Amino acid sequence: EAGVAQSPRYKIIEKRQSVAFWCNPISGHATLYWYQQILGQGPKLLIQFQNNGVVDDSQLPKDRFSAERLKGVDSTLKIQPAKLEDSAVYLCASTTGSGANVLTFGAGSRLTVL
Amino acid sequence: QKEVEQNSGPLSVPEGAIASLNCTYSDRGSQSFFWYRQYSGKSPELIMFIYSNGDKEDGRFTAQLNKASQYVSLLIRDSQPSDSATYLCAVGSNYKLTFGKGTLLTVNP
Repeated sequence: EAGVAQSPRYKIIEKRQSVAFWCNPISGHATLYWYQQILGQGPKLLIQFQNNGVVDDSQLPKDRFSAERLKGVDSTLKIQPAKLEDSAVYLCASTTGSGANVLTFGAGSRLTVL
Repeated sequence: QKEVEQNSGPLSVPEGAIASLNCTYSDRGSQSFFWYRQYSGKSPELIMFIYSNGDKEDGRFTAQLNKASQYVSLLIRDSQPSDSATYLCAVGSNYKLTFGKGTLLTVNP
């Protein structure tokens, strides 16, 4: 079974620039999550999708962050404009959405904002 | 705001000892409880999950859950240097997982 794919693995940008991260979940996984993990902290949920609908985006800074999951498969997370405090690892995870809610994480996308 | 608190660490134990990691949570409606391990520079990987009060054992790992006390723990027996990592407690409700900040464990040879 292929895992959760994420790209790019690393990105360095200047503040006020924009960046986009892509995630392809495990095949058949209906639920997809984007987490932000700042160095030294636990992952913080940004947004949760069930198929192509948003279940929870209460902690997504909507003035600068956006996410979509067209066709209920892969997803894109965008930051525009980036701030210094957005420097973090952006983790995508997926799960079947039923039964045991075991999340499988991708390798993450490390963002550095200068 | 649902909170998950973990003992701050870092925790250092000698090889072969038992490592004990603790976690408390604020949401009494939480339904599922997970322990993830995260090596430096890597993404979290699942160690085990528990739903019911009591103990659940998997090899050298034992998860303990007490819903009345809103407490979950992870015991690692016969700790190995390869167990050195950050251990994340996660609490689930309605297919949403909230993570603690993690506890850094170092196992000294």
